[in-house]
Amino acid sequence: AQSVTQLDSQVPVFEEAPVELRCNYSSSVSVYLFWYVQYPNQGLQLLLKYLSGSTLVKGINGFEAEFNKSQTSFHLRKPSVHISDTAEYFCAVSNQGGKLIFGQGTELSVKP
Amino acid sequence: EAGVAQSPRYKIIEKRQSVAFWCNPISGHATLYWYQQILGQGPKLLIQFQNNGVVDDSQLPKDRFSAERLKGVDSTLKIQPAKLEDSAVYLCASLLDNAYNEQFFGPGTRLTVL
Repeated sequence: AQSVTQLDSQVPVFEEAPVELRCNYSSSVSVYLFWYVQYPNQGLQLLLKYLSGSTLVKGINGFEAEFNKSQTSFHLRKPSVHISDTAEYFCAVSNQGGKLIFGQGTELSVKP
Repeated sequence: EAGVAQSPRYKIIEKRQSVAFWCNPISGHATLYWYQQILGQGPKLLIQFQNNGVVDDSQLPKDRFSAERLKGVDSTLKIQPAKLEDSAVYLCASLLDNAYNEQFFGPGTRLTVL
């Protein structure tokens, strides 16, 4: 069975500082990996995805993530965060069936 | 391109009452999902449709939850009777092509059961 663990439930950071949101997954088969962002009272928006190929994936809003198969990780990074990045971030895994399995979420709080 | 539409956005009911949520996916998207997101948790899949057929409903509490997508376009999720633990946001998502696996999410319906 597939599962996702987001290692930090809350990450406070100051504006313009770098941030890393950690995600580990478990799966016995090849997977696709995703990061979604959820702003208050809104649905989920895709930040980036890993399907195959280059292990460094670039997404929207300056975010990037690195797929590490040996560590079964897919950590999300941004070199300099803005106040507007304050939101809940979800890591998710799926197989070709399309069903997404989400982690518990990481609340990113950017302070001025 | 219009996104995934959901209604209502908010609903408050008392336990043992019934409630229904509606979702209209992006035009042309064959696959439709309903997720339940309890406060402080990630979304959990309830049911997946491919056109008007059910692909996966293994996590749907069938004694009280039902869903349909009769014409393979919009979908309705119903809870009857509701329990306190059903308080959550119900998210609908749609998918065009499994090869890209990008699901597009609606804004959700926030259900409060008192």
